[in-house]
Formats: sequence, C-alpha cells, structure tokens
Amino acid sequence: NAGVTQTPKFQVLKTGQSMTLQCAQDMNHEYMSWYRQDPGMGLRLIHYSVGAGITDQGEVPNGYNVSRSTTEDFPLRLLSAAPSQTSVYFCASSLPGPSEAFFGQGTRLTVV
Amino acid sequence: AQSVTQLGSHVSVSEGALVLLRCNYSSSVPPYLFWYVQYPNQGLQLLLKYTSAATLVKGINGFEAEFKKSETSFHLTKPSAHMSDAAEYFCAVSPSGNTGKLIFGQGTTLQVKP
Repeated sequence: NAGVTQTPKFQVLKTGQSMTLQCAQDMNHEYMSWYRQDPGMGLRLIHYSVGAGITDQGEVPNGYNVSRSTTEDFPLRLLSAAPSQTSVYFCASSLPGPSEAFFGQGTRLTVV
Repeated sequence: AQSVTQLGSHVSVSEGALVLLRCNYSSSVPPYLFWYVQYPNQGLQLLLKYTSAATLVKGINGFEAEFKKSETSFHLTKPSAHMSDAAEYFCAVSPSGNTGKLIFGQGTTLQVKP
C-alpha cells in the first residue's frame, strides 16, 4: 500500500521559476492538505481540499495555487518562486471527522 | 482562533527516564487533539488522538496523553524512554473536527541520552 506519495523529494529553484509539487494518495480519502514546515514554526496549512473540485485556503496561502480534479491527486503550484518559499512541504490525506491524517515523506524545496 | 503551544523546543532525557512533553491549547469549543511524531527525514506519524471519549488516551510505542480541560492541556508521557524515541513531536488541534485542517504546535525535539 503506497499511502501518500510526494514527488519530487528534493528540488532547487531559481527565484521567479515556477513548479508543481505532486501529491497522490491511494486510500480513497476525501480530505487532502498541503503544509509547509519551517524550523521553530511547526507545520502551517497552505491549502486544503474536502473533495474533488473543492479547495480552500489555509493559514499561509499566498504564492501557492492548488486544484483537485480527482480524488487521488492534489498538486501544489508555485507560480513565481521566492526565497521565502524555501521549506519542507508535506501533503496529507484523511477521511472526514477526527480521523488519522496520513502524511507523505515531504519535498525539500530550496529557492535561490 | 484556536492555537497550540508546546512548552520547550528541546527536551533531553536519559534512557529509561520519564518522558514528558507539554502541550497547551486554546479553544472555545471542545477540541480534537493529536500527537504526531516525526523521525529524521520522514513524514509525520500519528501517536494518539483525543476525540472527547476517555480523557486518558493510549497510543503507540507506549506513549499516552491526558486531556485536562481545566488546564487546557494535553501533555504526552512515556514511563521509560528508549533510544528509538528520539524524534520531533508535534501537538495539533483540529478546529473543525476534521483532520484535513490541523493547527500544529511548534514542535519539541526529544533527545535520549544513553
């Protein structure tokens, strides 16, 4: 069982470049989320989705776009990368209610 | 707005000693509370969760946490630390009752000394 799969694991971008972080889950979970992890700040919610076609902003959405065309996939797009977006990004999925959230292995992004 | 505060960004214990990681939350409604563990270069894994059933919650790897409404706390404990417990631990709250939208504390790094 693959669970939540994130690609790539590592990425270096130049300021102003765009890229998409991929996230896929094979558990048929309705809820999917993107977080960024920065030292001393824990994880902060960027965007989340409660089902295909439905997305909403989290705590730190600026500079990021998402869409959810299928239950399985929830890509995160950086339109114009900035050094402040250097971080580790985690995707998570879960069922409705206070169920366990399953996390991917993370994508370490460096913007130079 | 709900928030989570973890007291102590770094905790060091000797192997076999008690582990106590502190978490306080602010919430205007009964919360759902979680503890997650992150091993180096890995994603997060659920240790345990409180969902308004028993106030003492048992989790994996011998960890447990007690929900104390009067103190707005959800501290994580383990009677005897093992070297394999060295990791970063996160307390989180669900403001909506759905874990698609979690608010995390700042994290506590646990060091276990031989």
